[in-house]
Amino acid sequence: DTGVSQNPRHKITKRGQNVTFRCDPISEHNRLYWYRQTLGQGPEFLTYFQNEAQLEKSRLLSDRFSAERPKGSFSTLEIQRTEQGDSAMYLCASSLDPASGNTIYFGEGSWLTVV
Amino acid sequence: GDSVTQMEGPVTLSEEAFLTINCTYTATGYPSLFWYVQYPGEGLQLLLKATKADDKGSNKGFEATYRKETTSFHLEKGSVQVSDSAVYFCALSDGAAGNKLTFGGGTRVLVKP
Repeated sequence: DTGVSQNPRHKITKRGQNVTFRCDPISEHNRLYWYRQTLGQGPEFLTYFQNEAQLEKSRLLSDRFSAERPKGSFSTLEIQRTEQGDSAMYLCASSLDPASGNTIYFGEGSWLTVV
Repeated sequence: GDSVTQMEGPVTLSEEAFLTINCTYTATGYPSLFWYVQYPGEGLQLLLKATKADDKGSNKGFEATYRKETTSFHLEKGSVQVSDSAVYFCALSDGAAGNKLTFGGGTRVLVKP
């Protein structure tokens, strides 16, 4: 049983560069979520997909952020023109089509440091 | 909007002590409630959950009861171990909000031998 897989696990980038993170959800999970977690805080919702459709985006997701899930399987989160404030852990999670109460499983996260 | 409030840490305990972490919530719908745990350097792991009022979630000696009347989901463990040192997050999933999780700020627990 493979869980939610994210890569890269760590990324250090210079301010102004673009970065892309990939998430492979648990197979057959049709819901996929992206969260951001800064040091000492709880995860904050960014966006989620039902299959390939992006159903909701948080106000935290500025125009520099874009997420895709082109075939309803893996997803990418791209950050353009990175800023120091983007430094955080980006968490991906997946679940089956809810019914409320379906467990959401998280990956180990991708740490981004913008220098 | 939905929100979760949990007690701030850090909570420092001796091994075999009793642990309680308070969690209260606000939700527009009828949420499911969760506790997630994050060990140092790792991602979030589901610890336990409850999907309706008066349900008790339990796992690894931890328990939490869904109290609708007090909108609470407090986490308890009767005898903690050093290996329980981690950050604990209370969260809710609201069907009226697409079932995405809303998290509290986390409570760091440190258990000393």
